[in-house]
Amino acid sequence: QQQVKQSPQSLIVQKGGISIINCAYENTAFDYFPWYQQFPGKGPALLIAIRPDVSEKKEGRFTISFNKSAKQFSLHIMDSQPGDSATYFCAASIYAGGTSYGKLTFGQGTILTVHP
Amino acid sequence: NAGVTQTPKFRVLKTGQSMTLLCAQDMNHEYMYWYRQDPGMGLRLIHYSVGEGTTAKGEVPDGYNVSRLKKQNFLLGLESAAPSQTSVYFCASSYSIGHDRGSIYFGEGSWLTVV
Repeated sequence: QQQVKQSPQSLIVQKGGISIINCAYENTAFDYFPWYQQFPGKGPALLIAIRPDVSEKKEGRFTISFNKSAKQFSLHIMDSQPGDSATYFCAASIYAGGTSYGKLTFGQGTILTVHP
Repeated sequence: NAGVTQTPKFRVLKTGQSMTLLCAQDMNHEYMYWYRQDPGMGLRLIHYSVGEGTTAKGEVPDGYNVSRLKKQNFLLGLESAAPSQTSVYFCASSYSIGHDRGSIYFGEGSWLTVV
């Protein structure tokens, strides 16, 4: 049972464009929503994360938008660059649950290709 | 500055064989995890550990065993490998307290093929 659904599976964007990846979750106990970036042959690396007490978080060209009522969150990559080409995973966990926050539930992943 | 190190990086097993994947972290993290990554399914938690000498089951624990005899090491064992265990395995670690406690650090993966 997939508790975090991610879309699209793949995304092609031109250099300088905006990349948008969406995720929806079911478990209302989730209270920590990170995004991971993974390059071929490498492990996932934390990109940016948000907790549900804020609706948006921005770090450089990367922004997470969070809609608690809709149980959705999204990653926006502004001014997309060829170096951003990678697989992106959204995830969710129960941050405040003591031993639970490393138990991430991942989305299926989105392969982003940015053309020069 | 090694971070999370996994060995071996690649392995081919025959059905029924056993093997152990080793994970070592040098960040003094309390928590360690083993995930598997399969196409179209993201990463799924196999087992995790909240401290030396303790382990717990994750989402997909069947067919795997783990041990954490030392704080810096977390071993994943396959007692009798099956083709369904062909996957990429990732070890990860994190702090239990502090402002950085939500950050999970992953190793570079171990590619396992069971034929």
